[in-house]
Amino acid sequence: SAVISQKPSRDICQRGTSLTIQCQVDSQVTMMFWYRQQPGQSLTLIATANQGSEATYESGFVIDKFPISRPNLTFSTLTVSNMSPEDSSIYLCSARTSGSSYNEQFFGPGTRLTVL
Amino acid sequence: DAKTTQPPSMDCAEGRAANLPCNHSTISGNEYVYWYRQIHSQGPQYIIHGLKNNETNEMASLIITEDRKSSTLILPHATLRDTAVYYCIVRSTGANSKLTFGKGITLSVRP
Repeated sequence: SAVISQKPSRDICQRGTSLTIQCQVDSQVTMMFWYRQQPGQSLTLIATANQGSEATYESGFVIDKFPISRPNLTFSTLTVSNMSPEDSSIYLCSARTSGSSYNEQFFGPGTRLTVL
Repeated sequence: DAKTTQPPSMDCAEGRAANLPCNHSTISGNEYVYWYRQIHSQGPQYIIHGLKNNETNEMASLIITEDRKSSTLILPHATLRDTAVYYCIVRSTGANSKLTFGKGITLSVRP
């Protein structure tokens, strides 16, 4: 199994600023993902973080708003840019390992963001 | 769009079995059924998965109907710590497949 940590665990930010969330996995993984969970809602996939290339974004999410980096097989960052109160959510990092028969996917504890 | 439907909520008594249903009538032949749960303020936790045979692990059992159009997650002896949102998800094992979450079912275990 893989253990995923995220920094910060929570933050309160002002409108118009940006926040970068870090995700660290304790082992090499094939794929990393970023999800958003708005208050009282289910998880929505933002993008797949590709190692060494641009992330693949889901419909409704764009690189200018959510730039993502993945410099190696164990680390990724998500930036929430030019924040507004509507960006208040929990942001979760997820990773899928290789070598298992079913490619189990793990989740970090999430970063709780509040935008004032 | 999520490819599964689940009741919004259910409850059960502590120590009893919790049977959580899921419909996935449009499931494809190469898609597995996965169950995750999310305890309040935590990230989702993998529980179990299956293709067509029933599966059991230390956490739960998964019963998949013969036509694969529905399944049931069974927690044999529910505890208060099992109170969570449970997500039933279908996903192929392709390298680029994605885990897409629906609304899930909120299980409340009462003392």
